[in-house]
Amino acid sequence: DTAVSQTPKYLVTQMGNDKSIKCEQNLGHDTMYWYKQDSKKFLKIMFSYNNKELIINETVPNRFSPKSPDKAHLNLHINSLELGDSAVYFCASSQGYRGQRGNTIYFGEGSWLTVV
Amino acid sequence: AQSVAQPEDQVNVAEGNPLTVKCTYSVSGNPYLFWYVQYPNRGLQFLLKYITGDNLVKGSYGFEAEFNKSQTSFHLKKPSALVSDSALYFCAVRDGFQKLVFGTGTRLLVSP
Repeated sequence: DTAVSQTPKYLVTQMGNDKSIKCEQNLGHDTMYWYKQDSKKFLKIMFSYNNKELIINETVPNRFSPKSPDKAHLNLHINSLELGDSAVYFCASSQGYRGQRGNTIYFGEGSWLTVV
Repeated sequence: AQSVAQPEDQVNVAEGNPLTVKCTYSVSGNPYLFWYVQYPNRGLQFLLKYITGDNLVKGSYGFEAEFNKSQTSFHLKKPSALVSDSALYFCAVRDGFQKLVFGTGTRLLVSP
């Protein structure tokens, strides 16, 4: 029933580990995103995919690698986790790409990552 | 680049009173403006958006927003606040075809 779902919701891991967050949307959208919310609640885009093609990569360290096996899924893999990676990661989706700036972006519930 | 500003970190209002959460924007071209709400330990929920047309936009949970081009503002309003409206509110603007650029957020606290 959930439109944009991401797992896990909470993740506590040690520095240096590799972890993945999975995201799936059942809205039939063709564009998906990863946003990061830092400890001050500031939200910033990390990546955007349209029909499995990378559209936006906002100067994110290459330890972060998104993968989109199909347009309904966008996973985020993080290598060699650092303390500063602790944040909430939001997956989102919307319909359309060019010329559809008015379309709403729908967000998932977030994945709370804590690196210790 | 497009941007929005939320000048208040926190807004306090008593239940039953009207509330306003402020947002101003800076864009080149036509603005595409959005409001989202985040409840504690929850995701972002879409409230409403302005694309074109009427300056008063109605959204979810009784919220509305007024688009004012001369003041470059898009303030969120509700006639009568509920304690359950207490949450973090984000104004956002569409930058290009893909990105949403968010404001810094305003915490709304509604007291009983």
